[in-house]
Amino acid sequence: DTAVSQTPKYLVTQMGNDKSIKCEQNLGHDTMYWYKQDSKKFLKIMFSYNNKELIINETVPNRFSPKSPDKAHLNLHINSLELGDSAVYFCASSLWVSGELFFGEGSRLTVL
Amino acid sequence: AQSVTQLDSQVPVFEEAPVELRCNYSSSVSVYLFWYVQYPNQGLQLLLKYLSGSTLVKGINGFEAEFNKSQTSFHLRKPSVHISDTAEYFCAVGETSGSRLTFGEGTQLTVNP
Repeated sequence: DTAVSQTPKYLVTQMGNDKSIKCEQNLGHDTMYWYKQDSKKFLKIMFSYNNKELIINETVPNRFSPKSPDKAHLNLHINSLELGDSAVYFCASSLWVSGELFFGEGSRLTVL
Repeated sequence: AQSVTQLDSQVPVFEEAPVELRCNYSSSVSVYLFWYVQYPNQGLQLLLKYLSGSTLVKGINGFEAEFNKSQTSFHLRKPSVHISDTAEYFCAVGETSGSRLTFGEGTQLTVNP
């Protein structure tokens, strides 16, 4: 039973399109995150929600909009995709903000 | 705010050799420390963590790390590596006051036959 699952695993799309990535965790954690990993493997936090409330919002273009319908789900919607958005996006969850993170398997987004 | 430096971006070693991946952190308060491993095309998984107590922490797959408060380091070690240990390794720090985790830039460990 996968602890943190995200879909889809691969996304290939054209510039200018809109896409969404979904994430669900069954660990009972209160905090969920979106991370972006670039081609150099650098991990950058984008957003974090705690009990459906946004608590971390890094300097991310407002084309990126997270949504947390409940504390087990955190989705990421991206408008007007650009070439530079190509990356692997990881969802993660933790019991508390500075605690151990549990990661999903990643969603590889390729913008052509 | 805390920061993490992984001193080596790439570490090539031969199979069965010992390895040490270095991690230094900076923080003005007490910290939690983590090492994660990322195998190709996979997510990150926890290798080991230091929350409190014994400064020598043992993790999965024969890895261990030592928390050194005076040197603000948390180096990862394995006495004998296998080909299957080839992966990207990330050090991360979080402050006990409740800040988010900060990750280092990663160290690519490549184990050669």
